[in-house]
Amino acid sequence: QVQLVESGGGVVQPGRSLRLSCAASGFTFNDHALHWVRQAAGKGLEWVAVISFDGNNKYYAGSVKGRFTISRDDSNNTLYLQMNSLRGDDSAVYFCARGAYSGWYGDIWGQGTVVFVSS
Amino acid sequence: EIVLTQSPATLSLSPGEGATLSCRASQSVSNYLAWYQQKPGQAPRLLIYDGSNRAAGIPARFSGSGSGTDFTLTISSLEPEDFAVYFCQQRSSWPGTFGQGTKVEI
Repeated sequence: QVQLVESGGGVVQPGRSLRLSCAASGFTFNDHALHWVRQAAGKGLEWVAVISFDGNNKYYAGSVKGRFTISRDDSNNTLYLQMNSLRGDDSAVYFCARGAYSGWYGDIWGQGTVVFVSS
Repeated sequence: EIVLTQSPATLSLSPGEGATLSCRASQSVSNYLAWYQQKPGQAPRLLIYDGSNRAAGIPARFSGSGSGTDFTLTISSLEPEDFAVYFCQQRSSWPGTFGQGTKVEI
């Protein structure tokens, strides 16, 4: 069964750090680009970061560039998002997604993990 | 950053009726546009990619068309499970922006 399972969300104070994980199963992990997408409560979707299938290319949304780092561990079929200097507007549900159809669309999504930044 | 504008914001229809959703880009995205469906409390589901290609397992009642700046998602005959929010997304340039969504309600 192809699936992605996020973890690592929680409540964190502004300025602190958090690392999200996304465990993949049921497919050849290193064949695919991987994405992080977030959704603030009651809002639309925002692409956060993407990493290429080989890990050599990474792209970030302007709102997180310099604060967030995407990485992958192909030996453990796990995607990560290291989030530093968190702000209130980073509060959202964070989804990981498998890239498909050229890698730039998300065809398989996790259920999401909630990040709430508050003092 | 490319801005995607979806219309209408809400579409009120009955099961069995057809639905036409629009997505307009602030500049050409060629055919690099996708449509997703999202239900409350769930992750998005990819319906259409590259403008008109149905993703794996998507019923034929969903179809996409358009290129450049104007795109349409058509649902030929609404099933009860189709009532949801629909987002368009472009991959022509990073960041891959999303539209604000169209809610299809009963």
